Amino acid sequence: DTEVTQTPKHLVMGMTNKKSLKCEQHMGHRAMYWYKQKAKKPPELMFVYSYEKLSINESVPSRFSPECPNSSLLNLHLHALQPEDSALYLCASSQGAGAGEQYFGPGTRLTVT
Amino acid sequence: QKEVEQNSGPLSVPEGAIASLNCTYSDRVSQSFFWYRQYSGKSPELIMSIYSNGDKEDGRFTAQLNKASQYVSLLIRDSQPSDSATYLCAVSTGGFKTIFGAGTRLFVKA
Repeated sequence: DTEVTQTPKHLVMGMTNKKSLKCEQHMGHRAMYWYKQKAKKPPELMFVYSYEKLSINESVPSRFSPECPNSSLLNLHLHALQPEDSALYLCASSQGAGAGEQYFGPGTRLTVT
Repeated sequence: QKEVEQNSGPLSVPEGAIASLNCTYSDRVSQSFFWYRQYSGKSPELIMSIYSNGDKEDGRFTAQLNKASQYVSLLIRDSQPSDSATYLCAVSTGGFKTIFGAGTRLFVKA
């Protein structure tokens, strides 16, 4: 099973709201990723967790706050976002150390109003 | 700046033809190479990975890697309209970072 699930599928939020995106995988993968993708652009890495510890933060603004409660779950907490943060947010996982084959979830389409 | 370059396309091929997608990368220490397919409005789907020089075949897909030329390609044989998508080339140096190319849009005409 190479499934990564993400909720919600769509999210509309105001600039003062607080919301969270959720990601889950049951493949036993030990690395999990958050990407942001704008239209007609490639995925842009935001965060990487390896063995439940934050390994990479690509200088993402603090209004995005990742959390990895356990090896299967990854959250992205959102607060005081800007309209330019509207994008497709993708979660991915890979088996172990090193960016091996990554499996993406379906994504959350976020609109900030 | 480590880069992965792809022709943005669109690449248009007739149904049944071979589609050839190309990618070059700048970092000589790159170790792992991937092709992802992304349909409009959907997430990327891994279709091929290749780690050593030469060809790797999987069904209608063949990935080719030439590390000396820093070049990786994807051939799609017997192209079908359902293959119409954006194909992302991705390269990793062995850490957790994967660098994605901007993608090539493929259009297969029925």
